Amino acid sequence: TQLLEQSPQFLSIQEGENLTVYCNSSSVFSSLQWYRQEPGEGPVLLVTVVTGGEVKKLKRLTFQFGDARKDSSLHITAAQPGDTGLYLCAGEGDTDKLIFGTGTRLQVFP
Amino acid sequence: GAVVSQHPSWVICKSGTSVKIECRSLDFQATTMFWYRQFPKQSLMLMATSNEGSKATYEQGVEKDKFLINHASLTLSTLTVTSAHPEDSSFYICSARPVDRGYNEQFFGPGTRLTVL
Repeated sequence: TQLLEQSPQFLSIQEGENLTVYCNSSSVFSSLQWYRQEPGEGPVLLVTVVTGGEVKKLKRLTFQFGDARKDSSLHITAAQPGDTGLYLCAGEGDTDKLIFGTGTRLQVFP
Repeated sequence: GAVVSQHPSWVICKSGTSVKIECRSLDFQATTMFWYRQFPKQSLMLMATSNEGSKATYEQGVEKDKFLINHASLTLSTLTVTSAHPEDSSFYICSARPVDRGYNEQFFGPGTRLTVL
């Protein structure tokens, strides 16, 4: 069974701080997506990484796919209250399904 | 681009009634759509994979006779919760995978909040 563990589970920080969210597995994924979800809404796709070692930037967000394509990280620089939400990683496994991570709930206080 | 809509956004029904939820890809075609269920403060749980023109594939533990899925076109999938009971109350979210993507990139609808009294 393919699993994705995210850490930390919860994160509460002040505006302006930096943070990193990790997404780890013992399985290899052909691609990995990061989503952000706000309460009462569906997840919004932030980025897709496909190549081992790939780094993608989206404004203050930096995403990295591990060399072995088993893990990924999301780094946010100078967090803002608008970054608050549930961050989910999701890996494309052996089947036509996404394996979702356990989620990281981020709260950024002004 | 890549917009997915769901209707209704919320529904309240009496126990024993059936509820239909629609999922539409508005600006792209999707041969595959997915239905998820999400409990408060938890991640998404895949219920079933819906392929256009064929029967849905259900995850282990999901009753196919209770959660009827129809994927009649490349832009529409429906989930019908039959004989709903209070334990079916949840947040249901669909997603769609564009036909022209080489990898499983899914775009999600805004979700439907179902409350069964």
